[in-house]
Amino acid sequence: QAVLTQPSSLSASPGASARLTCTLRSGINLDACRIYWYQLKPGSPPQYLLRYKSDSDKQLGSGVPSRFSGSKDASANAGILLISGLQTEDEADYYCMTWHSSAYVFGTGTKVTVL
Amino acid sequence: EEQVVESGGDLVQPGGSLRLSCVASGFTFSNYEMNWVRQAPGKGLEWVSYMTSSGSTRYYADSVKGRFTISRDNAKNSLYLQMNSLRAEDTAVYYCVRVDLSWGQGTLVTVSS
Repeated sequence: QAVLTQPSSLSASPGASARLTCTLRSGINLDACRIYWYQLKPGSPPQYLLRYKSDSDKQLGSGVPSRFSGSKDASANAGILLISGLQTEDEADYYCMTWHSSAYVFGTGTKVTVL
Repeated sequence: EEQVVESGGDLVQPGGSLRLSCVASGFTFSNYEMNWVRQAPGKGLEWVSYMTSSGSTRYYADSVKGRFTISRDNAKNSLYLQMNSLRAEDTAVYYCVRVDLSWGQGTLVTVSS
């Protein structure tokens, strides 16, 4: 089982909200994890969006709109990226990442389609 | 503006070596842990290696352990990746990464005969 699992795709309409999940493997302590989120678009380098560990330990990337936010869902053992007010420019691949066992680990990535 | 610029990518034969470089600007490089991350064609992101700000601690992905060596020169604001015994599966764009910063353009490494 992968350390971080993301749904392969998600579709939503412009103006709607998109909730992306990053599920930690069973046995990994969600509370201890600082989860990073990156946006990848074809032909461009990955953009850092934000990191989230708790409401007192979070950071939005420089120049990233406030409609991107992070949180955790303890019941699902998952990190969450919420994109509010979806725009066509948000169509991209999104990857989560965390530090685990002396290594950074990336999720499997979610392709977001805005239609 | 905080940024990193990678260089050194090239076409190399299997079994060959290559040294990647990364120069940072706009921030105090010596204060930050740094990483190398790669993305193979059509694939997701894969973390490769990590180094603490002082250079005292290094970690590697199992896929490159024993073949790749990360290093840094804080006086030159530079991070390096020495890649030996290269394999076809090492073909990827390599990024020099500060995890709380958007990444540079990367440098392409192609391993092929």
